[in-house]
Amino acid sequence: QVQLQESGPGQLKPSETLALTCHISGAFISSSYWTWVRQSPGKGLEWIGSVFSSGSLSYNPSFQPRVTFLIDIPKNQITLTLVSMTLGDSAVYYCARDSGPSGLTDWGQGVQVTVSS
Amino acid sequence: QSILTQPPSVSGTPGQTVTISCSGDRSNIGDHSVHWYRQVPGTAPKAVIYLDTQRPSGVPDRLSGSKSGTSASLTISGLQSEDEADYFCATWDGGLSGWVFGGGTTLTV
Repeated sequence: QVQLQESGPGQLKPSETLALTCHISGAFISSSYWTWVRQSPGKGLEWIGSVFSSGSLSYNPSFQPRVTFLIDIPKNQITLTLVSMTLGDSAVYYCARDSGPSGLTDWGQGVQVTVSS
Repeated sequence: QSILTQPPSVSGTPGQTVTISCSGDRSNIGDHSVHWYRQVPGTAPKAVIYLDTQRPSGVPDRLSGSKSGTSASLTISGLQSEDEADYFCATWDGGLSGWVFGGGTTLTV
């Protein structure tokens, strides 16, 4: 069974950089696609971007150029970096296994990120 | 504002049938499979319908999905109190080349 675990700071100040890690167990990172999504009361669910098994990356234009994904194959984890954080970036951030046409089949428990001065 | 449109809330009494709609356009629902997720506040989403109509293992057959054109629906029959949760739809958008989501519907039993 695939399990995903997000980790990272729960609180940031405006203009700081967010770095979140999604550790994957039960599957090799290179065997599937992986997607980052965030959820906030004001904006609902938003697709941040996806990592494909080929290693290629796709980002939501709404987050560019602030977002970067870094894949660590030996550690089987993906790091999301989002720079210049604002109050509007406060949300629960999820990583999910992306099974393509079959949808986002497995989700991490999410990590609450709050941006506050 | 979400790309896919869902009613903010629906309600029903135990035993009744409710339907949650999800409306999009040709670049998303019209061209790609729709998936439905159930989310209890404070927990991660869990798939209840994938590929428009398929139920993952463990999801009761009281839940069913359908799609026509640029709209999809999730129907829950024989409502039970444990069905209370938020439900949202998701699909791929060819124009965005990414995932799009509905705003979510709160089901009250």
